[in-house]
Amino acid sequence: LAKTTQPISMDSYEGQEVNITCSHNNIATNDYITWYQQFPSQGPRFIIQGYKTKVTNEVASLFIPADRKSSTLSLPRVSLSDTAVYYCLVGDMRRALTFGSGTRLQVQP
Amino acid sequence: SQTIHQWPATLVQPVGSPLSLECTVEGTSNPNLYWYRQAAGRGLQLLFYSIGIDQISSEVPQNLSASRPQDRQFILSSKKLLLSDSGFYLCAWSPPGTGAYEQYFGPGTRLTVT
Repeated sequence: LAKTTQPISMDSYEGQEVNITCSHNNIATNDYITWYQQFPSQGPRFIIQGYKTKVTNEVASLFIPADRKSSTLSLPRVSLSDTAVYYCLVGDMRRALTFGSGTRLQVQP
Repeated sequence: SQTIHQWPATLVQPVGSPLSLECTVEGTSNPNLYWYRQAAGRGLQLLFYSIGIDQISSEVPQNLSASRPQDRQFILSSKKLLLSDSGFYLCAWSPPGTGAYEQYFGPGTRLTVT
């Protein structure tokens, strides 16, 4: 499984755009990149998934460069409710996922 | 729509006692099923995953076991709990047969071993 590296924590203010970058140098051809969000005492919630280039949904955007060795989750105009831990995962659905420690995002008023 | 249930929500058990946590999924067939554990302030550790009945893979050596007696039922068990088994246990499912995946998590069981 491709190992991922992401910042331990980030701070932001309401209304700002937040970009969280994840490194995955050993990503395999069949691997997808998936981001989850977790609030305290809850299970993680799927945010977005991509294979290459850019993916956008109603919650976030995911930018993946051509070499796929990194990815950036972009959260537009964050609010206090976006305070959570964000996990970057890389893998093939035929194999189980590995969650790292994630990035703890703290949004201030 | 699909839903995933876990029970109990919280559990306090003495060291050496047995454990049984149950997870069921509704609204889908032949899901992939997963058990994770999360220690306080830490990331999720995959314990078991299953792609079908009687097809269970263990990710880490431990005193826990998993069973899948029915297509949409996943059970996590232990014969004798250790203090280190305390944590937040999460069950998840994902659709079968797709090239990409999303995992959908249950509400979790908070286990405290005393």
